[in-house]
Amino acid sequence: DVKVTQSSRYLVKRTGEKVFLECVQDMDHENMFWYRQDPGLGLRLIYFSYDVKMKEKGDIPEGYSVSREKKERFSLILESASTNQTSMYLCASRSGTGSQLVRYEQYFGPGTRLTVT
Amino acid sequence: QKEVEQDPGPLSVPEGAIVSLNCTYSNSAFQYFMWYRQYSRKGPELLMYTYSSGNKEDGRFTAQVDKSSKYISLFIRDSQPSDSATYLCAILAAGGTSYGKLTFGQGTILTVHP
Repeated sequence: DVKVTQSSRYLVKRTGEKVFLECVQDMDHENMFWYRQDPGLGLRLIYFSYDVKMKEKGDIPEGYSVSREKKERFSLILESASTNQTSMYLCASRSGTGSQLVRYEQYFGPGTRLTVT
Repeated sequence: QKEVEQDPGPLSVPEGAIVSLNCTYSNSAFQYFMWYRQYSRKGPELLMYTYSSGNKEDGRFTAQVDKSSKYISLFIRDSQPSDSATYLCAILAAGGTSYGKLTFGQGTILTVHP
C-alpha cells in the first residue's frame, strides 16, 4: 500500500520566517511533486522532481524552492514566508520514467495547512 | 483561459440522486483523464482513470470522455452521503513540452444529504 506522508498537518508561521515542508514516500517512486490548493483555484503545481537532485519548476514556483537529496524525500522551502502563501500544500509521488510516466497513478499525502500571519 | 475548467458548484443533492460533474479542456495533448475524490482534511485519491473516448463504469460511477468536444464528465448513480467530498478532474498530457504533467480542474464540492 503506497504511502505518502507529510511532516505536519497544520503549521502556523510568521511573515519572513523560513519554512520547511517535508514529504516522504515509501514506494520507491521516481517522481515527486508539490502542489498548493486554494478555493476556486484547484491544485497548482509548484515544483516537481523526476530523480534525486533533479528539480523542475511548475506553474507557480515564485517564492519557493525544493530539495531532493534522497529518492524517498522531497522538501519544499519557503525562503521568506508571506501571507499570500497561506494555503494547503499537497505532496504527491508517481512511478514511471520516459514513456511510462503516463501509465501510473499519482498518490497524494494528507496535506499541510500552512497559515502565515 | 485555464487549460482545464471545471463546473465549480457547490452541488447539494438528496440521497439517491444522479450527480453529474463536468470539465472542459483546451489542450489537444491531453490524452489521459482522471477523477480524484478528496474528503475533508485528506489528500485526493484516484477514483477513475480512462484514456479513450466513451464511457467507463465502476460500480455507481461512470466516467465519460468526448475528445472531439474536449469534454469529460463523471456520473454518480444512487448517490450516498458517503459520496460527499470534493471531486477534481485531472488530465495528463501525453505529448509536447507538458508530457506527463497532470493538470487539475478547480474542484466541485458535492454534498449528498440524507
